[in-house]
Amino acid sequence: QSVLTQPPSASGTPGQRVTISCSGSSSNIGSNTVNWYQQLPGTAPKLLIYSNNQRPSGVPDRFSGSKSGTSASLAISGLQSEDEADFYCAAWDDSLNGQVFGGGTKLTVL
Amino acid sequence: EVQLVESGGGLVQPGRSLRLSCAASGFTFDDYAMHWVRQAPGKGLEWVSGISWNSGSIGYADSVKGRFTISRDNAKNSLYLQMNSLRAEDTALYYCAKGYQWELRGPFEFWGQGTLVTVSS
Repeated sequence: QSVLTQPPSASGTPGQRVTISCSGSSSNIGSNTVNWYQQLPGTAPKLLIYSNNQRPSGVPDRFSGSKSGTSASLAISGLQSEDEADFYCAAWDDSLNGQVFGGGTKLTVL
Repeated sequence: EVQLVESGGGLVQPGRSLRLSCAASGFTFDDYAMHWVRQAPGKGLEWVSGISWNSGSIGYADSVKGRFTISRDNAKNSLYLQMNSLRAEDTALYYCAKGYQWELRGPFEFWGQGTLVTVSS
């Protein structure tokens, strides 16, 4: 049981916009920034979004993040087949004094 | 180019110990927090432990507290994870990850390729 809650799966067709939600509590998302990671099949995770809505250098602007209260979301616009991956949200948890992850969302491009 | 190379994984019996290492290059190691994150086969990511730039702040997941010890040697650009009293549920791919800044709270900016730990009799 993960501290942060994500839907286990999401899907879309090429060109569509897809959003993935991440729900937490006041001790994590409610008081700290949210980060998102993309894990392509068979590879190590990669930082996709940090500080709620910032993109590291090299990440296309098709990827965007937002946060409101104790929830966050990742949006992917102009969906491409190479976006098929597992996506994880994460944040610091003040009660646990550690980093916590969501259970991950498997994105399928139909 | 940032590089993180994990080593030390393998097959170990329950109750035994193992020490993982992570060799870092391509950045100023002692400016950044470092972390261990694991992924059990077919499962999601789990933060295991983190250590600040000067080892002044250290954190552990409840699942490993009291059994695992994280450390770093800034002179050798290396991160370590001493794992004692290993259990079957510790079986996972262990990733070394570079923090975004000096403290533990920030994101994991860069990840190694991982080293596999299998705990089984």
